[in-house]
Amino acid sequence: NAGVTQTPKFQVLKTGQSMTLQCAQDMNHEYMSWYRQDPGMGLRLIHYSVGAGITDQGEVPNGYNVSRSTTEDFPLRLLSAAPSQTSVYFCASSYSPFGTTRNPPLHFGNGTRLTVT
Amino acid sequence: GQSLEQPSEVTAVEGAIVQINCTYQTSGFYGLSWYQQHDGGAPTFLSYNALDGLEETGRFSSFLSRSDSYGYLLLQELQMKDSASYFCAVSAPTGFQKLVFGTGTRLLVSP
Repeated sequence: NAGVTQTPKFQVLKTGQSMTLQCAQDMNHEYMSWYRQDPGMGLRLIHYSVGAGITDQGEVPNGYNVSRSTTEDFPLRLLSAAPSQTSVYFCASSYSPFGTTRNPPLHFGNGTRLTVT
Repeated sequence: GQSLEQPSEVTAVEGAIVQINCTYQTSGFYGLSWYQQHDGGAPTFLSYNALDGLEETGRFSSFLSRSDSYGYLLLQELQMKDSASYFCAVSAPTGFQKLVFGTGTRLLVSP
């Protein structure tokens, strides 16, 4: 198993450009999510999905779109990059969503380091 | 929503014991998780507490007091490789299907 695979590892964009960060998992996980990590601010949830065709917003969704057409893939789209989106982006998955009796561990990808100039 | 507080940095020496605290404020509560992240790496899951008390996994233990909205991660017999950032995270009914992370505690272990 490769686990959670993110591409690219590094990316530099100019302000206003768009791009898609790729995330794929081969564990047949139901739940997938995107976080961004900035110094001193921990991990903040951007969007998440509880299954194919179902997505919802996290804490900081503005400027990002997601879709979940298959169980395996959960791409994150930056519509018009801004310097404030310079960050490290992590995709994470788990076998089920969180709930009253479930707290499955999140499996993280290795991250995409994005710089917007 | 949810908010969590952790110390920003903790230092200790090899072989020592260190405790990393986490206090949280949520409307409702499912459980408290802990994750470890080495510099330049991805977070990895360490432990989860849904009920009050201590959960032990090798050199690491995690404690939860629901009445105090408080938990901690206890690391024993510290090793240099334990130098990393440690994050607590909560899941709660108001953030159903979400895991919200604290800002992290950087642990520096010296020889």
